[in-house]
Amino acid sequence: AQTVTQSQPEMSVQEAETVTLSCTYDTSESDYYLFWYKQPPSRQMILVIRQEAYKQQNATENRFSVNFQKAAKSFSLKISDSQLGDAAMYFCAYRSMDSNYQLIWGAGTKLIIKP
Amino acid sequence: NAGVTQTPKFRVLKTGQSMTLLCAQDMNHEYMYWYRQDPGMGLRLIHYSVGEGTTAKGEVPDGYNVSRLKKQNFLLGLESAAPSQTSVYFCASSHGGGQTAYNSPLHFGNGTRLTVT
Repeated sequence: AQTVTQSQPEMSVQEAETVTLSCTYDTSESDYYLFWYKQPPSRQMILVIRQEAYKQQNATENRFSVNFQKAAKSFSLKISDSQLGDAAMYFCAYRSMDSNYQLIWGAGTKLIIKP
Repeated sequence: NAGVTQTPKFRVLKTGQSMTLLCAQDMNHEYMYWYRQDPGMGLRLIHYSVGEGTTAKGEVPDGYNVSRLKKQNFLLGLESAAPSQTSVYFCASSHGGGQTAYNSPLHFGNGTRLTVT
């Protein structure tokens, strides 16, 4: 069975600086999808960025980008120019092509932004 | 657009009581999910539905039942609440069917905080 590990329970960064959140996963599949979701204090989960495993190019969305290392089974999220509104829990998730669209979630990383 | 709406937002139950959480989505999504979120853990799937009239068990289904009588609604029931069911419950929906469904993000409601005493 696939697993997703986020080894950093909490990270902090100075406003305007760059921070990287780590995510590793375990799978024997060659094709799958990876996601990063953000959960601000309002509780609602919001999609940040997604990556298809068969695409070698790293996904980017404005200040958010990923470093996808397929061989290492690593999917880290880089946030550039951190803003106070980025403070939230960040969850990494894995979707198998053989799972009826279900997601497997990491335990999350709490990101603190220091003004 | 409302997106995914969950009711109620908060609820306190005594052990042994029953209740139903309602989830409604207005995006015409085929797939709907119920998750629970506990401190220090990722989301865990309770039940899910791939279409109207169908439901399936997820990772932690015991003590819960679901129904999807209409495409836009997905109900989660607790038959006899236990303190171990104290959690935050999230409903989500997504497009289903076909290759593009794998890349489709989940759209979440704002959650229901349930406390069982």
